[in-house]
Formats: sequence, structure tokens, C-alpha cells
Amino acid sequence: QQPVQSPQAVILREGEDAVINCSSSKALYSVHWYRQKHGEAPVFLMILLKGGEQKGHDKISASFNEKKQQSSLYLTASQLSYSGTYFCGTFTGTASKLTFGTGTRLQVTL
Amino acid sequence: DGGITQSPKYLFRKEGQNVTLSCEQNLNHDAMYWYRQDPGQGLRLIYYSQIVNDFQKGDIAEGYSVSREKKESFPLTVTSAQKNPTAFYLCASSKGQGVYNEQFFGPGTRLTVL
Repeated sequence: QQPVQSPQAVILREGEDAVINCSSSKALYSVHWYRQKHGEAPVFLMILLKGGEQKGHDKISASFNEKKQQSSLYLTASQLSYSGTYFCGTFTGTASKLTFGTGTRLQVTL
Repeated sequence: DGGITQSPKYLFRKEGQNVTLSCEQNLNHDAMYWYRQDPGQGLRLIYYSQIVNDFQKGDIAEGYSVSREKKESFPLTVTSAQKNPTAFYLCASSKGQGVYNEQFFGPGTRLTVL
């Protein structure tokens, strides 16, 4: 089942912070975060694994709450280059494949 | 440079025709994936393969077929049975089991059915 992302869209001024949430109705083994710019391929940002291990981008942070079955991506001091659509993908115990959410569109303005 | 290539970038097809989208990777990755993306939507998994000569259906496999005869290649055929094939198609690969490994995406093929 597809994870739910919130908010669906957000507009920030450069330098402001944002939080993007990803919730699942099933127990999670891992959460992946990707960013996609318009017309381009998604680019990997971070993986959060059950048990607390993380892999990914130095300048981006995220959390993984196993009990609540959700993850949050924290974008601090946003830059114009942060604009794009952010997708979370989840691995649950019942499937060996990544299921993506519908995305959060982030626009950073001057 | 290592990476994933998809061709063609744009593809136009007449209704009723089959068409094959190419995906090649030189990352020495075991796993490969095909996703479909519609405007304003997330990525939906069509097929995936974890090893050569083996593949599994994803969430929307109807009307599509794949083969994995070589580790580097994972072509996708969009058949005439696919009712609404106009979309952006993305191929991806990962080093091993997907739960622990990030996926690397190709540049995509935009398919339009006329």
C-alpha cells in the first residue's frame, strides 16, 4: 500500500526550514528519500533503516519512527536548489519492493 | 563514467503497436527496476529483476513485458494490451537487495501514444 506524504506542496523563502512527512499503514523495514526536478530522474537523498542506521546526504537529515511507522525529512536553511518534488519510498515486511508516495512539491523562492 | 542509459528519450507510438524501451547499466548492479510516472503522480513499479533470467511483476504489470538475459540490460516492452501507455518511464538499478541499497535512475523515456 502506498505511503502517504504531507504536505502535498510547500513554498518557502530561501533560508527557511521545511519538514516533509511520510506515513505507512504497515510496519516498515526501511524508508528511502529521493528528490526529482521537473523532467529529470529522481536522485537519491537518504535511506533510513529499521534499527537506526542511516545512509545518505550530509546536508539533509531525517528521522524514522518505527513505532509510528513514519519518517520525516528535514530541510534546513533551504536553498533555491532544494526546489523539486520529494518522494519517500517504503519497504514493508510483506513486500520485497519499494513503494513510493505521491510526492511533496517544494518550491524555494528568493 | 558509470551510470544508467535509457533510449530513446522521446518515443511516439501509434495505438495498437508494441514498443520496446531500452535500459542499460554499467554499474555492475544485480537488481533492476522499471517504473511508470504520470503527471503529478509518484512512481509506480511495473517489473523488477534481482538476478539475471529472473523477474517479478510489480504493481502495474498488465500490458507490459520484460526480459533479463544480461546483467547490464533490462528492456521493457509496452504492448498493445496496455490501455493507457502515455507516460514517463524510468529505469533504475541497485547494488543488491533494495531494502538496504539506494536506487540509481536513468534519465527516462517519455512515451506518447498518438
